[in-house]
Amino acid sequence: ILNVEQSPQSLHVQEGDSTNFTCSFPSSNFYALHWYRWETAKSPEALFVMTLNGDEKKKGRISATLNTKEGYSYLYIKGSQPEDSATYLCAPTVGKLIFGQGTTLQVKP
Amino acid sequence: DADVTQTPRNRITKTGKRIMLECSQTKGHDRMYWYRQDPGLGLRLIYYSFDVKDINKGEISDGYSVSRQAQAKFSLSLESAIPNQTALYFCATSGVLGETQYFGPGTRLLVL
Repeated sequence: ILNVEQSPQSLHVQEGDSTNFTCSFPSSNFYALHWYRWETAKSPEALFVMTLNGDEKKKGRISATLNTKEGYSYLYIKGSQPEDSATYLCAPTVGKLIFGQGTTLQVKP
Repeated sequence: DADVTQTPRNRITKTGKRIMLECSQTKGHDRMYWYRQDPGLGLRLIYYSFDVKDINKGEISDGYSVSRQAQAKFSLSLESAIPNQTALYFCATSGVLGETQYFGPGTRLLVL
């Protein structure tokens, strides 16, 4: 069983703050790393897929980096907005996706 | 129209009843998955299928069975429902290894 850890479990920030969270995973047998955004009462939606060590992806104010050698990925949100409030899931692929438990972000206006 | 659909969206059933949750997709993907979500536990994989003839158990398959009737359809059955199977169930599909998974809207199941 692949152990995927996300930290922190939850986070409360003020509108305009920048924030980041971590996803840790065993670095052996790694194929790809996914980030998903999951809003309450909706389905998870893909943000990024990264495969190469040193990959960086960006979508608007959200960006992610990948370190496959040490087994971690960071997700950054610049200038958080209330609409960024959601649970952010990471999922490395080892034959199939294994999801972390997520980081739940609350952005207060 | 949604690419991944699930029926029913909500279901209440009693302990011991057999129930089937259905998933259909129009994305043409070979790979399909069933997950359950419980508060504080994230998404846990129940079963997955890489094609019609390939069915695999996930991390929590006990008490569940699946059927891949066609490339586009993947059903999850609870042979004899029990209260701790109360959860939100998601179906997902993907293309080849490493590609994004696309999730259905979820089925909320309550077992009394």
